[in-house]
Amino acid sequence: GDQVKQSPSALSLQEGTNSALRCNFSIATTTVQWFLQNPRGSLMNLFYLVPGTKENGRLKSTFNSKESYSTLHIRDAQLEDSGTYFCAANTNTGKLTFGDGTVLTVKP
Amino acid sequence: DPKIIQKPKYLVAVTGSEKILICEQYLGHNAMYWYRQSAKKPLEFMFSYSYQKLMDNQTASSRFQPQSSKKNHLDLQITALKPDDSATYFCASSQEGTAEQFFGPGTRLTVL
Repeated sequence: GDQVKQSPSALSLQEGTNSALRCNFSIATTTVQWFLQNPRGSLMNLFYLVPGTKENGRLKSTFNSKESYSTLHIRDAQLEDSGTYFCAANTNTGKLTFGDGTVLTVKP
Repeated sequence: DPKIIQKPKYLVAVTGSEKILICEQYLGHNAMYWYRQSAKKPLEFMFSYSYQKLMDNQTASSRFQPQSSKKNHLDLQITALKPDDSATYFCASSQEGTAEQFFGPGTRLTVL
């Protein structure tokens, strides 16, 4: 939606390459979550961020509250990274507002 | 073992009927939520509950009624079903309102 703008909407990567996804927020955002939705529809938690940076394996995510954006970096993309990535903003009310998602396809 | 259980996994209903979607969480969380994901759309917030009390309702229609019989249960009753209600309904929970939310596997509802 307009409150959480996610880009790109779709991305195709060669296995082993790097890329970054981004979310811009036009609502006051307290925390950010990143999810991966697999083809079966299950949502996997990737990151929960207060302002700052976290890293987990080949994934690294930053939430910059002053400039109202968050990024998700994928390093050395693997086939199993394919799916739809969502960012979501929590505005301190418990309601998560989701971006439209990035459909990532990793090709061999 | 799954920590958030949603039942059923798939549900087919006829227009005008009523269905209840079940959600139970075993994470010891105090807040529970419902979200809806229509085909090719992002998840949309519906309700939030904290300590079994309604905190936020973003659903325009009164046909959607959450029911919390226990602290770790938040069911969703949908009456007078319409084809537009077809979607996957996700239940989620968190320790409290601003904490990390965890999602159940979803119930895929199809209204004919």
